Amino acid sequence: GNSVTQMEGPVTLSEEAFLTINCTYTATGYPSLFWYVQYPGEGLQLLLKATKADDKGSNKGFEATYRKETTSFHLEKGSVQVSDSAVYFCALLTGNQFYFGTGTSLTVIP
Amino acid sequence: GAVVSQHPSWVICKSGTSVKIECRSLDFQATTMFWYRQFPKQSLMLMATSNEGSKATYEQGVEKDKFLINHASLTLSTLTVTSAHPEDSSFYICSAEAEGASEAFFGQGTRLTVV
Repeated sequence: GNSVTQMEGPVTLSEEAFLTINCTYTATGYPSLFWYVQYPGEGLQLLLKATKADDKGSNKGFEATYRKETTSFHLEKGSVQVSDSAVYFCALLTGNQFYFGTGTSLTVIP
Repeated sequence: GAVVSQHPSWVICKSGTSVKIECRSLDFQATTMFWYRQFPKQSLMLMATSNEGSKATYEQGVEKDKFLINHASLTLSTLTVTSAHPEDSSFYICSAEAEGASEAFFGQGTRLTVV
């Protein structure tokens, strides 16, 4: 079946720290992979995506590489800011259906 | 990006009453809308897929008579939780996509608490 396993939170980091949120997946076929972010009081927003193996998605300093050999799509940012505090969801899309991870809450303190 | 508005953002209701949640695509026509539910510390789980003008397709284990979905226009889908019970308390979120699009846009979610 299809599923996404995401690092549990909450994660608390100091400003300018390095961030990694792990995400692994199980899928039939060739899914597209996504990271969504949800800021307090707002809807899910697409952060970045990758549609095939070895693709790297990047946006706002965040990066994730589609690794087929390890079935992973880990989210990284070299230097987090307070404004990055949010909940991050890893997801895969196969066919017409999304499968989401449980979400990881990130709090960045000054 | 495109905007999807979900209303209300939170609601508290008494057990046995019904609650309607609206999902609107504000600047595009959403041929397909999706409804998800998230229990604490669990993944977003797809409940149903609705296409404009046709009956919703429900995922296994989701009671269609309890969770009524109406997608009457290309910009509006509603989810009605009928005869709500405390176990229906959850976070409900909708998403919408335009025909041929490869990306879905999400509403801000509705926190339902049944007391």
